[in-house]
Amino acid sequence: GAVVSQHPSWVICKSGTSVKIECRSLDFQATTMFWYRQFPKQSLMLMATSNEGSKATYEQGVEKDKFLINHASLTLSTLTVTSAHPEDSSFYICSARDTSGASYGEFFGPGTRLTVL
Amino acid sequence: EDQVTQSPEALRLQEGESSSLNCSYTVSGLRGLFWYRQDPGKGPEFLFTLYSAGEEKEKERLKATLTKKESFLHITAPKPEDSATYLCAVQATGTASKLTFGTGTRLQVTL
Repeated sequence: GAVVSQHPSWVICKSGTSVKIECRSLDFQATTMFWYRQFPKQSLMLMATSNEGSKATYEQGVEKDKFLINHASLTLSTLTVTSAHPEDSSFYICSARDTSGASYGEFFGPGTRLTVL
Repeated sequence: EDQVTQSPEALRLQEGESSSLNCSYTVSGLRGLFWYRQDPGKGPEFLFTLYSAGEEKEKERLKATLTKKESFLHITAPKPEDSATYLCAVQATGTASKLTFGTGTRLQVTL
């Protein structure tokens, strides 16, 4: 149980284009999902908290107009990187929180490697 | 502000050589302490959630323990496939609050 998927697993795009990353909780419902980015040999950096049916909460320093988050259902959150630039190249990871009693925890997707040329 | 410090930063063990990883934390009120394993190029894999001091959980060669100030991840007779980065995180009271991560311990197990 507690499986989270991400799509795509990797993407290469040209500078100036937008890229959408999907995060799905496959076997549980998640009112709260999180988006992280991770640079090589560093720990995870939280970008934003995605709440089902309401606006996302962004961490300080994260541009909400650049990183659009939509949490349209209890199993799906999307991150759109708008007008991507090479400095946006990174490893993006989502997580979903399962609060259903015995299986409480935060479970991560496999990550999406974004390369902007 | 919640803080998590992991030590050592890196650890090299021979196969079968047991050891422990440390996670020291300060948090306003602990909702849970989480351990994850992360392989290169992959998302963190959930290992354990600990809720209160004195709690212990085991999974195969791994055992996690918790006190009021720190958590240990004990690795018994490790194998090369246990090589990974182990991450510790805390969540403060309030189910919507974010996780605060440590920087991880990179474990390498050699034959």
